[in-house]
Amino acid sequence: GNSVTQMEGPVTLSEEAFLTINCTYTATGYPSLFWYVQYPGEGLQLLLKATKADDKGSNKGFEATYRKETTSFHLEKGSVQVSDSAVYFCALSLAGGGSNYKLTFGKGTLLTVNP
Amino acid sequence: AAGVIQSPRHLIKEKRETATLKCYPIPRHDTVYWYQQGPGQDPQFLISFYEKMQSDKGSIPDRFSAQQFSDYHSELNMSSLELGDSALYFCASSLVGLETQYFGPGTRLLVL
Repeated sequence: GNSVTQMEGPVTLSEEAFLTINCTYTATGYPSLFWYVQYPGEGLQLLLKATKADDKGSNKGFEATYRKETTSFHLEKGSVQVSDSAVYFCALSLAGGGSNYKLTFGKGTLLTVNP
Repeated sequence: AAGVIQSPRHLIKEKRETATLKCYPIPRHDTVYWYQQGPGQDPQFLISFYEKMQSDKGSIPDRFSAQQFSDYHSELNMSSLELGDSALYFCASSLVGLETQYFGPGTRLLVL
């Protein structure tokens, strides 16, 4: 089956530190990869995505590159801010029959950024 | 821009009661997905619909049913509620054939 493994948290950083959250996947096919962010008490927001090998998704200073050879999609940011504190979910989707693109999520990584 | 709307946002029920959760997708989005997120857990896929037809089914209990209507909104019906059903229920929408899903704010269900 399909699965996503992300580094376990929580991760605590100081403001302006470098962030890496590791994500690897197993899929029976060629998936699209996503990072979603969930701020406290809120829903899931799409942060970035990549749909094919070597694609780089980027948004709000965050980046992730689709690495097919290592089945990875690590999230990075050069300088985190307090406002980046949230739970980050790595996810994959595969084209199924018809319109089916259900998401399979990792367990989530809680990031806390201190001033 | 219009987003996915879910109602109610919060719901408190007793064991063995029923609950109905509603989801209104982004305008022109024709595909709806339901996910369940338990406390401290990752979201789990429950069921999806396209053009009023169920397109896929995940780990949805038999006590739950769902449907999509002609205006593309969807309802998740939950019966014989159990304590373990307490969770955040997300709806997401997309356009057919596109993999990017946009999530609503969720309905937080508490079963006492």
